[in-house]
Amino acid sequence: GENVEQHPSTLSVQEGDSAVIKCTYSDSASNYFPWYKQELGKGPQLIIDIRSNVGEKKDQRIAVTLNKTAKHFSLHITETQPEDSAVYFCAASKGSNYQLIWGAGTKLIIKP
Amino acid sequence: DGGITQSPKYLFRKEGQNVTLSCEQNLNHDAMYWYRQDPGQGLRLIYYSQIVNDFQKGDIAEGYSVSREKKESFPLTVTSAQKNPTAFYLCASTYRTSGRDEQYFGPGTRLTVT
Repeated sequence: GENVEQHPSTLSVQEGDSAVIKCTYSDSASNYFPWYKQELGKGPQLIIDIRSNVGEKKDQRIAVTLNKTAKHFSLHITETQPEDSAVYFCAASKGSNYQLIWGAGTKLIIKP
Repeated sequence: DGGITQSPKYLFRKEGQNVTLSCEQNLNHDAMYWYRQDPGQGLRLIYYSQIVNDFQKGDIAEGYSVSREKKESFPLTVTSAQKNPTAFYLCASTYRTSGRDEQYFGPGTRLTVT
């Protein structure tokens, strides 16, 4: 079945620097790739997603890139701020009638 | 305000007791999900339901049971057969339409069994 690997498990960056989290997936039929942010003690919240017909998507300081050939996708956060500190999860799916397959998560620490 | 509610936020039970976690959504979503999250871990799927009166096992269904009698509600029962029930439980819901498949999560219930 589908497998999603996420790296690194912990990422510490200086405030104002950029952060990059990478995920790889195994099922070439996957076509939907969301990223979720989970703050301590709360449920995950979607921050950005991308579909397989698009290579890159941006939303202010957040961007996601997708390389279908290599089967990997990445989350890029620029000009990091203290409120970006959280756990970030990537996921992959073959569509609305299929389950999301989750990465193990990345704990992002923003150092002041 | 539309959203997903889970109650209670914290739940304490003695070993050997069954306990039911509540999940309600007013988003008119078709599908609902239960995940388990252990400290420092990712999300593991327990059960999911795509329509009323139907549900399927996820990756770790043993020791859990669910029902889906109403579109809005998807309660999870943690039975005494679940060997390690202490965890953070998350409920989610989504439409089943391509392009509208974002999963919305509730705030979670932290269950502690002693």
